[in-house]
Amino acid sequence: NAGVMQNPRHLVRRRGQEARLRCSPMKGHSHVYWYRQLPEEGLKFMVYLQKENIIDESGMPKERFSAEFPKEGPSILRIQQVVRGDSAAYFCASSPPEGRGNIQYFGAGTRLSVL
Amino acid sequence: AQSVTQPDIHITVSEGASLELRCNYSYGATPYLFWYVQSPGQGLQLLLKYFSGDTLVQGIKGFEAEFKRSQSSFNLRKPSVHWSDAAEYFCAVGPTSNTGKLIFGQGTTLQVKP
Repeated sequence: NAGVMQNPRHLVRRRGQEARLRCSPMKGHSHVYWYRQLPEEGLKFMVYLQKENIIDESGMPKERFSAEFPKEGPSILRIQQVVRGDSAAYFCASSPPEGRGNIQYFGAGTRLSVL
Repeated sequence: AQSVTQPDIHITVSEGASLELRCNYSYGATPYLFWYVQSPGQGLQLLLKYFSGDTLVQGIKGFEAEFKRSQSSFNLRKPSVHWSDAAEYFCAVGPTSNTGKLIFGQGTTLQVKP
């Protein structure tokens, strides 16, 4: 059973470009979470999605950031017009359907560098 | 406000020595509690979790943690540290609703001296 898959592992963008980060949850998992880790800091929650629904986006910046988890395919975190401050590691986690405990399994992350 | 505090940013121990990493939390209700480990350039691996029941929980790699409700703490321990334990350790809390965001501490970096 493959774990949470994130790609790319490393992404370099110039200021003003768009960044697309992908996350495929573990098989059988229907909940996806995105977290951001700035240098020397812990992980900060960004958004929680189920298939075709955003459940909690309280941690998402108000502008330039969006996330989706379509019926088919991976979850996408999209950052438009990137700025240097967006440079961070972005982690995706998935968890099983409700009733099986809130254990979140993390991918290896995408490290975004904005030049 | 919900928060997790890991008071020690860096800890250095000698190989074979015992280890305790501190974690204190502030949460409106009884939370689920977790410890994760992150090796350099890697994702997070779950070490152990506390949901309910016995307040001393055992995890992988010889780690254990004790939940103390009166102190709002969930400290991680290991009797004898190995060089391969050098990593960053994160304490996290989450709701008991089976789903929902985790709140992480800032992490403790563990260095192991030979």
